[in-house]
Amino acid sequence: EIVLTQSPGTLSLSPGERATLSCRASQSVSGSYLAWFQQKPGQAPRLLIHGASSRATGIPDRFSGSGSGTDFTLTISRLEPEDFAVYYCQQYGNSPTTFGGGTKVEIK
Amino acid sequence: EVQVVQSGAEVKKPGESLKISCKGSGYSFTTYWIAWVRQMPGKGLEWMGTIYPGDSDTIYSPSFQGQVTMSADKSISTAYLQWSSLKASDTAMYYCARAGLYSSDIWGQGTMVTVSS
Repeated sequence: EIVLTQSPGTLSLSPGERATLSCRASQSVSGSYLAWFQQKPGQAPRLLIHGASSRATGIPDRFSGSGSGTDFTLTISRLEPEDFAVYYCQQYGNSPTTFGGGTKVEIK
Repeated sequence: EVQVVQSGAEVKKPGESLKISCKGSGYSFTTYWIAWVRQMPGKGLEWMGTIYPGDSDTIYSPSFQGQVTMSADKSISTAYLQWSSLKASDTAMYYCARAGLYSSDIWGQGTMVTVSS
């Protein structure tokens, strides 16, 4: 199974700053079937990005995804107060689907 | 409105059985997969497996194969996750989500399962 490693584990930033989150796969992700989710305390995860770079319905354009093969990035161009949360990557191109361990974006 | 709605929280004893549910509405239930995801307290997301309600085709993560059973009743647009003998280590939040080409785009609110003697 593909192991996804997210870094850093925690990112401490201020509102308005740029956030760059990394997701590295142990082998190439088929078809760039890589998704990003946001999860806030007490809430279900929310899909942000699918297919490595396509924003899900209703997701603001400050969220962008990039990458292919084994290296993927989620960028939040300017952090809003509501963006402080935990972010997970997921690959769904190879069975079994797997998630990364998560990156917490916290207020500095 | 497209949504999946899960059954309520459960408190069980070790060794008991349990079946939780996930009802889809607002879309064609038989043409999307339903994925199940576990989140243990304070931990990350773990993909358990997925079922296609159209024909009940099921794929389990190796970590969960033999530990749980996924099923679906397409006549009532409902998917199920069940345990035959719960353990304390099954204590977790369980999410279902609609899954397809665009990954898991619609999530349920989660079902908290607590197993304690």
